[in-house]
Amino acid sequence: EPEVTQTPSHQVTQMGQEVILRCVPISNHLYFYWYRQILGQKVEFLVSFYNNEISEKSEIFDDQFSVERPDGSNFTLKIRSTKLEDSAMYFCASRAQGSGANVLTFGAGSRLTVL
Amino acid sequence: AQSVAQPEDQVNVAEGNPLTVKCTYSVSGNPYLFWYVQYPNRGLQFLLKYITGDNLVKGSYGFEAEFNKSQTSFHLKKPSALVSDSALYFCAVRSLLTGKLSFGAGTTVTVRA
Repeated sequence: EPEVTQTPSHQVTQMGQEVILRCVPISNHLYFYWYRQILGQKVEFLVSFYNNEISEKSEIFDDQFSVERPDGSNFTLKIRSTKLEDSAMYFCASRAQGSGANVLTFGAGSRLTVL
Repeated sequence: AQSVAQPEDQVNVAEGNPLTVKCTYSVSGNPYLFWYVQYPNRGLQFLLKYITGDNLVKGSYGFEAEFNKSQTSFHLKKPSALVSDSALYFCAVRSLLTGKLSFGAGTTVTVRA
């Protein structure tokens, strides 16, 4: 079964450092998402991406965050200058287009720890 | 704005007993509703969805959910719970425009042997 792949599985970084989280969505999917989950808490929407542009973003997704689809397969989330409160599990998701396309398929997540 | 609420932080049941995880929704128009499950240190796995059609939706691992428009609810059910069903369960509603899912706070299910 096709799956969404995320790397790294766990990253530890110092506050103020830049972090890039990578995702390889399912190959025929056209819509891409990033979510985050602070430990033991709710899954929060960050951003959705379609046709090479952001279609929606939450208030969490401020100027420190950016997304990119650099090569047609990868979908990245960059945090420019990490803060302690960015420590969370980050999930990438993708979905196809069309009538059967309502299901978002999630990756296993990238755990980010900011020290 | 559309949202879902999961009124219970935790649900504890004995193995073999029925399991119900509650979810209520608030949307304008017809809701697209989903249940996802998260096992420890894992990602979110899709269980089932309601788009249109029968109010009783069957999904993975023997789970089902009943859409109730009058009560604005979409409760997840399993007739006979297994220890392996112990996990964190999320109800979610989808935006028709962007496909964005908005999740509830989650319910931790513990099934004791």
